[in-house]
Amino acid sequence: GIQVEQSPPDLILQEGANSTLRCNFSDSVNNLQWFHQNPWGQLINLFYIPSGTKQNGRLSATTVATERYSLLYISSSQTTDSGVYFCAVEWSYNQGGKLIFGQGTELSVKP
Amino acid sequence: GAGVSQSPSNKVTEKGKDVELRCDPISGHTALYWYRQSLGQGLEFLIYFQGNSAPDKSGLPSDRFSAERTGGSVSTLTIQRTQQEDSAVYLCASSLTDQETQYFGPGTRLLVL
Repeated sequence: GIQVEQSPPDLILQEGANSTLRCNFSDSVNNLQWFHQNPWGQLINLFYIPSGTKQNGRLSATTVATERYSLLYISSSQTTDSGVYFCAVEWSYNQGGKLIFGQGTELSVKP
Repeated sequence: GAGVSQSPSNKVTEKGKDVELRCDPISGHTALYWYRQSLGQGLEFLIYFQGNSAPDKSGLPSDRFSAERTGGSVSTLTIQRTQQEDSAVYLCASSLTDQETQYFGPGTRLLVL
């Protein structure tokens, strides 16, 4: 099957700092999603990004499918950005949209 | 509804009992997914529905786990003879089709004593 690896596993930032989270995957994918899991456990969609670049406010994401990685950029971080960020992919050899998740990056933003 | 809803939000049960977890997807979404999140295993896929059919059940851990979907809408995940290792958060997601963004519900936290 496909492997999904996220780095770093943990990250501590001061409020206002910028960060880059990385997701590497081992095979071709049909789609890729980034999620933020807040402290209450809710998974919130950030981006649906099988390729290219998207931006939404202080967040942006880039996926280079041919090189099998995706990056999530967080600029001017805020304490509300704290939580776990997951990358999830749909492997091209699966049917039906089943997502394979990475282990996540746990982000803590200090005031 | 506005989003995916799940019930109950929390469930505590005794080992050996059966439990039923419910998922109400976003109206009009044809694809529905169940995942499980536990400390040791991360987020794992359990089963996928397209309409009322389940073309992919590959993630169900054992034959104690089953799921159904009726009317192309509500889904129920049933765990029979629960074991302590079944303790986890069970998450449901839906998408317009199986190639679209998946939206997750708040989950059901299951604790088996």
